[in-house]
Amino acid sequence: DADVTQTPRNRITKTGKRIMLECSQTKGHDRMYWYRQDPGLGLRLIYYSFDVKDINKGEISDGYSVSRQAQAKFSLSLESAIPNQTALYFCATSDDGSGKAYEQYFGPGTRLTVT
Amino acid sequence: SQKIEQNSEALNIQEGKTATLTCNYTNYSPAYLQWYRQDPGRGPVFLLLIRENEKEKRKERLKVTFDTTLKQSLFHITASQPADSATYLCALEGNAGNMLTFGGGTRLMVKP
Repeated sequence: DADVTQTPRNRITKTGKRIMLECSQTKGHDRMYWYRQDPGLGLRLIYYSFDVKDINKGEISDGYSVSRQAQAKFSLSLESAIPNQTALYFCATSDDGSGKAYEQYFGPGTRLTVT
Repeated sequence: SQKIEQNSEALNIQEGKTATLTCNYTNYSPAYLQWYRQDPGRGPVFLLLIRENEKEKRKERLKVTFDTTLKQSLFHITASQPADSATYLCALEGNAGNMLTFGGGTRLMVKP
């Protein structure tokens, strides 16, 4: 089974709708991240969480919110979707940094289209 | 402003040749730099990490160099194969500490 799973894998929604993207991990990592990817722009960080009680805004948090329900679960919500939120969304995890650098493990992505 | 630049044009090479991809950055002082591979429609997969005090790192057919004076990393794939065709992303520690910032990626196409 995959270490990092995302649901749904594909979603088409209308402008103004609320939508939630879910991420679960079995790696036992404390740190979780949400990114969006747009063609030519690379991955941009939306929100990150270093443990269940810690939530931090990333580079592009406007229009998004998150919830860390448990160590293994991190959800991303679009409160009122707009067309320029159409993108590929990735969840990632990493081990506790403790001053060291650790690689990130990515989920398979959710392709979101807002019409 | 902070920038991480990778060649946005696809790199086309012949099977068996060495592919060299470049990652340049400005206004960062990263303690480390990472390279990831991404296949279409899939999440990035970690390949290699190199620290600021390391000049070179190797893993099988992969080699990464890190020049903090030039603010550049080079990623080499020797004896390239069509299966190496993918987009390669560099990522470095942002100035916020322990957070990764990604470049836009370079697509590599290896032709048989």
